[in-house]
Amino acid sequence: AQSVTQPDIHITVSEGASLELRCNYSYGATPYLFWYVQSPGQGLQLLLKYFSGDTLVQGIKGFEAEFKRSQSSFNLRKPSVHWSDAAEYFCAVGARGTYKYIFGTGTRLKVLA
Amino acid sequence: ETGVTQSPTHLIKTRGQQVTLRCSSQSGHNTVSWYQQALGQGPQFIFQYYREEENGRGNFPPRFSGLQFPNYSSELNVNALELDDSALYLCASSLLLAGGGTDTQYFGPGTRLTVL
Repeated sequence: AQSVTQPDIHITVSEGASLELRCNYSYGATPYLFWYVQSPGQGLQLLLKYFSGDTLVQGIKGFEAEFKRSQSSFNLRKPSVHWSDAAEYFCAVGARGTYKYIFGTGTRLKVLA
Repeated sequence: ETGVTQSPTHLIKTRGQQVTLRCSSQSGHNTVSWYQQALGQGPQFIFQYYREEENGRGNFPPRFSGLQFPNYSSELNVNALELDDSALYLCASSLLLAGGGTDTQYFGPGTRLTVL
């Protein structure tokens, strides 16, 4: 079955600390992978995406993610978190030839001043 | 470039009523998808429209229906509302790729529906 797992429901980090949000997927086809961010009461903003090529992808706001096929993972990282990064983060998977994204349940990030 | 817009922002209905939510696609996009996001959950795919026809559907009952117009705007209609329909409804627009499937989906701000 196709699925996306975000093992961490909540993560708290101090401002300036590094961040890694985990994402594991189960998907039969070669996946397209995405990270979106959602601020309270808002829609989803695309942070970055992976379709093919270099497995380390750079996104907006200083985020990056690494695709590891052998581990079926696409973890999101940021070297130094800012207070404005507090939000909910969603990992999603799709594929060429399909029309829908499958989302994880999200990780809520809290940033301590 | 105009982003994806949705209206209304919030909506309150009672059980059994019908509701229509609206979405305007991002400029240049020809495909629109609708997702339901219940509180504390990730978005769940409802359906997608391309060239005014349903192009794929998730696990939602027929009382969820949609329309896409020639200008690529879209409506989501829900009949016989149930309490569990309370959620944030997200619209996403994208381009249909040659060979099928869609490119990156860009989301609107959503409509918060509350069913009492």
